[in-house]
Amino acid sequence: DTGVSQDPRHKITKRGQNVTFRCDPISEHNRLYWYRQTLGQGPEFLTYFQNEAQLEKSRLLSDRFSAERPKGSFSTLEIQRTEQGDSAMYLCASSPTTLRGQETQYFGPGTRLLVL
Amino acid sequence: EDKVVQSPLSLVVHEGDTVTLNCSYEVTNFRSLLWYKQEKKAPTFLFMLTSSGIEKKSGRLSSILDKKELFSILNITATQTGDSAIYLCAVPRPYYGNKLVFGAGTILRVKS
Repeated sequence: DTGVSQDPRHKITKRGQNVTFRCDPISEHNRLYWYRQTLGQGPEFLTYFQNEAQLEKSRLLSDRFSAERPKGSFSTLEIQRTEQGDSAMYLCASSPTTLRGQETQYFGPGTRLLVL
Repeated sequence: EDKVVQSPLSLVVHEGDTVTLNCSYEVTNFRSLLWYKQEKKAPTFLFMLTSSGIEKKSGRLSSILDKKELFSILNITATQTGDSAIYLCAVPRPYYGNKLVFGAGTILRVKS
């Protein structure tokens, strides 16, 4: 399977615990995005990477959130001291970069987080 | 602020019906609009539209863009129960790494 993969698919944690999610993009895609989706809403942008560089972070991403893409391949999203409001689907997407600037983003299956 | 608005928010139809889903947008430096289908997991890509008036078609699904009036429609003909899903419209922001601005989605339920 050469699509975007995410791990784990589901995570249940207690409030105050730390969690880490992983995303493996489509190989050769140099852009990687994280989005968060809550019930009844479309995905909201969190952050993105161009290769290993994190180029933008949404104001939705509080200090408790950190994302890395150390070698420009897979990425991790960590949430520290989780809160019930962090419960959501966390989606990863990847895309190539072209001169036209009209690239399609392909999404992974998501990690569904429930904070009790 | 850039925004994407979809309508209706939800729709229930019977198999065989034709549906039209709407997406309007206000995004600076517009270059393209994307439609995704989301079942229980990740959004799957349907269409990318860049030019006004040119219909994109895939089987029973088709979509068209009107850049003057800032909207797009997604049509599904002869609907099937497998078309039941959330349909998402998204517009990339080209000077912000193409991050996607999504609408809230249209929930489509096709009854047999």
